[in-house]
Parts: sequence; C-alpha cells; structure tokens
Amino acid sequence: NAGVMQNPRHLVRRRGQEARLRCSPMKGHSHVYWYRQLPEEGLKFMVYLQKENIIDESGMPKERFSAEFPKEGPSILRIQQVVRGDSAAYFCASSPQGAENSPLHFGNGTRLTVT
Amino acid sequence: GENVEQHPSTLSVQEGDSAVIKCTYSDSASNYFPWYKQELGKRPQLIIDIRSNVGEKKDQRIAVTLNKTAKHFSLHITETQPEDSAVYFCAASGGYNQGGKLIFGQGTELSVKP
Repeated sequence: NAGVMQNPRHLVRRRGQEARLRCSPMKGHSHVYWYRQLPEEGLKFMVYLQKENIIDESGMPKERFSAEFPKEGPSILRIQQVVRGDSAAYFCASSPQGAENSPLHFGNGTRLTVT
Repeated sequence: GENVEQHPSTLSVQEGDSAVIKCTYSDSASNYFPWYKQELGKRPQLIIDIRSNVGEKKDQRIAVTLNKTAKHFSLHITETQPEDSAVYFCAASGGYNQGGKLIFGQGTELSVKP
C-alpha cells in the first residue's frame, strides 16, 4: 500500500494566485481529512470529506477555501486569491472509517509559501 | 465542540530518563485517543492509541493512561533515547457533534539529551 500521497510537496504562489493541493488516500480509505499546520504550531482541523460529500467543514475559512473529494480522482483543497497568512503546511489524512473508529494515516504534506 | 489541551509545550530530559506528556479534553463523549509523533519536516505518525473502554495500554517503552472521570490522558515514554526527540501530539475524537473528526492538542516538543 503506497500510503497517503500528497502533491506537490512544495508550492510557491504569489499573492492573489490560486493554490491547488492534491491528496490521494490510501487504497480502501474513503474518509479524507485536511489539516493546516503553521510553523511551530499544532494541527488545525479544516475539513472532513467522504466520497462526493463534505461531512464537516467547520474548520475551513468561509471565503477563498474549498475542498472536494470526487467519485474518481484525488481530494483537492483549493485556496483562491492566496495571502501571506495562508503560508503553512497542509496535511491530508485518510482512514477506512471515521476518526472515532480507525486511526488516521497522514501524507507528507504540502508546504505552501505565499510571496 | 471538543477542546484538547496539552502540557508541557516543551520537555527536555536526559537519555534514559522517563518523559510524561499530559492532555485534557472537554467532551465527555469522546471515546478514542491517539498519540502522534512528528519529526522535523515530516508527517505525523501514530505511535499508540487508546479507547475509552480501557484505562491503560502499553507498547514496549510507550504507555498511555486514560482517566475518563477526570477527562485526561497521558503518554509515558520510559528509557528515552535521542531518536525519541520529536513533537508529540495527543488527540481526541468521537464526541457529541464531532462528526468523526480528530481534534489535536497543541503539541509537546520533546528533546532527549545524550
């Protein structure tokens, strides 16, 4: 099993551009979670998705951020009109069931830098 | 919603000593408590977890204890080694209205000095 795959590993965007972060869950995992980690800080929950459904987006900023997990293909976290404050590491995690029933497996993250 | 507090934020021990990290949670319905280790620049990795139907779990040098009444749980690392140096995160899930998401503590940076 290849594990959770995230790409790109590093992404540099200028202010106002769009950032697209991709996550392919482990084989057999239908639950995907996105977390944001600022330097020397903890993991902040952003959004929880199952195939084609957003289950919980309570941690997502109301504007500029969106996420999807289509029937085919990876989960995408999209940040429009990026600002310097969006610079962070974004981690995706997957599990075969919800987090209360099975451990989350994390990808290596995408480190977004906004210049 | 659930809130997880973790202490201390930094911990320095001598090689061979024990290290203890403590967490408290707010939602009494939470029933799953994993611990993750994150080395610098790498992904968080699960090291041990515990469910609310047990009070203690051990795996070699690592143990976790859970006190449901007090709503706190702790990670114990014995005979620490330099390779244990990392940031450790506790987490909780399964509470009311949590919708299956995992809430993390703020992290503890453990430094093991040779």
